[in-house]
Amino acid sequence: GAVVSQHPSWVICKSGTSVKIECRSLDFQATTMFWYRQFPKQSLMLMATSNEGSKATYEQGVEKDKFLINHASLTLSTLTVTSAHPEDSSFYICSARGGGRRVEQFFGPGTRLTVL
Amino acid sequence: ELKVEQNPLFLSMQEGKNYTIYCNYSTTSDRLYWYRQDPGKSLESLFVLLSNGAVKQEGRLMASLDTKARLSTLHITAAVHDLSATYFCAPRGGFGNEKLTFGTGTRLTIIP
Repeated sequence: GAVVSQHPSWVICKSGTSVKIECRSLDFQATTMFWYRQFPKQSLMLMATSNEGSKATYEQGVEKDKFLINHASLTLSTLTVTSAHPEDSSFYICSARGGGRRVEQFFGPGTRLTVL
Repeated sequence: ELKVEQNPLFLSMQEGKNYTIYCNYSTTSDRLYWYRQDPGKSLESLFVLLSNGAVKQEGRLMASLDTKARLSTLHITAAVHDLSATYFCAPRGGFGNEKLTFGTGTRLTIIP
């Protein structure tokens, strides 16, 4: 089946620093990748949609200058949390979708970010 | 804006019992997904329902979709402890719109 990896699995950083999270599709080409955020005991909230080679589309209320998304290739998307603050602490999950008739999104294992 | 509600939010049930989780959504959607999430983990895909009347079964879980009623159900038969998890439904935004809107989630605990 389709496999999506994320790196790192967890990260602890100081307030004010930037953190980069990678999302890779390992065995398929992902024309579209999605970034979600999940706070403890809550549902997943879509942050942005990225298509390879174009700018990401952000959901309402998500600061594009704070959450930088780059989808440079068909197998890699990155999310950079700039100037992280404690309220950015969350579980970040990416998903990837292949093109054409493939209907499913395949989810990565998630990255737990803690900002001190 | 698509809104998705699941009921119940929390469910505790004994092993061997049957129960149904309901997923209601507010606007037209032609496709709906069910996922399972274990604590501290990401999502595991359970079912994708592609059309009105679709029914899929895998082991003790069965999912159905009624697009006219904007309702999907996840039925658990003869529950066992390893089904304890949080279950999410997620309809997509519409034809050509691959964005998923996740329901509130149902935290299921199976008691031996």
